[in-house]
Amino acid sequence: DVKVTQSSRYLVKRTGEKVFLECVQDMDHENMFWYRQDPGLGLRLIYFSYDVKMKEKGDIPEGYSVSREKKERFSLILESASTNQTSMYLCASTTPAEDSYEQYFGPGTRLTVT
Amino acid sequence: GENVEQHPSTLSVQEGDSAVIKCTYSDSASNYFPWYKQELGKRPQLIIDIRSNVGEKKDQRIAVTLNKTAKHFSLHITETQPEDSAVYFCAASRGNSGYSTLTFGKGTMLLVSP
Repeated sequence: DVKVTQSSRYLVKRTGEKVFLECVQDMDHENMFWYRQDPGLGLRLIYFSYDVKMKEKGDIPEGYSVSREKKERFSLILESASTNQTSMYLCASTTPAEDSYEQYFGPGTRLTVT
Repeated sequence: GENVEQHPSTLSVQEGDSAVIKCTYSDSASNYFPWYKQELGKRPQLIIDIRSNVGEKKDQRIAVTLNKTAKHFSLHITETQPEDSAVYFCAASRGNSGYSTLTFGKGTMLLVSP
């Protein structure tokens, strides 16, 4: 079974704080993704990575950065948290394969910025 | 970039009825179309997917159809059950390998009443 875990289920931070969200997968997947999920807006891609130390911007990268120092770990960083970054954050991973492009999601981190 | 529209945003049916959720996409190069189900408080999970060289795919009570000419695809659930209640997301991708990203629709909340 693929397992994708996220460091926290719930997080409360103050405006201006630096926030780290961690994601770990145990299936040796090459590709990892960070999404945010907001009611009525679906899943929006923030950043993704196809390899260690590699990162690409998604659709809404402003205010975020990422780090991938090891294959199994992909971190999302909010340099200076703002209230409009209050959201559910979902990590996902997948591996390039002929027969399936399934993305496996973590349980999510609900971040509240006050 | 790709744009995926999903309708309806909410759908209420009686147990045993059929449910249909429709999506349209904008990028004619998209060739992979998955559907994810997210139960309340849970992570999204892939339930079915279809590639552009196939017009229809079935898996027990769920089926997906694809019309490449019209650039739309649909999820069909027959004999709905209360456990089908969830948010369903369609997505589209240009990937011909795992090195690609998904663009998600905004989601449909399906409520199945006993």
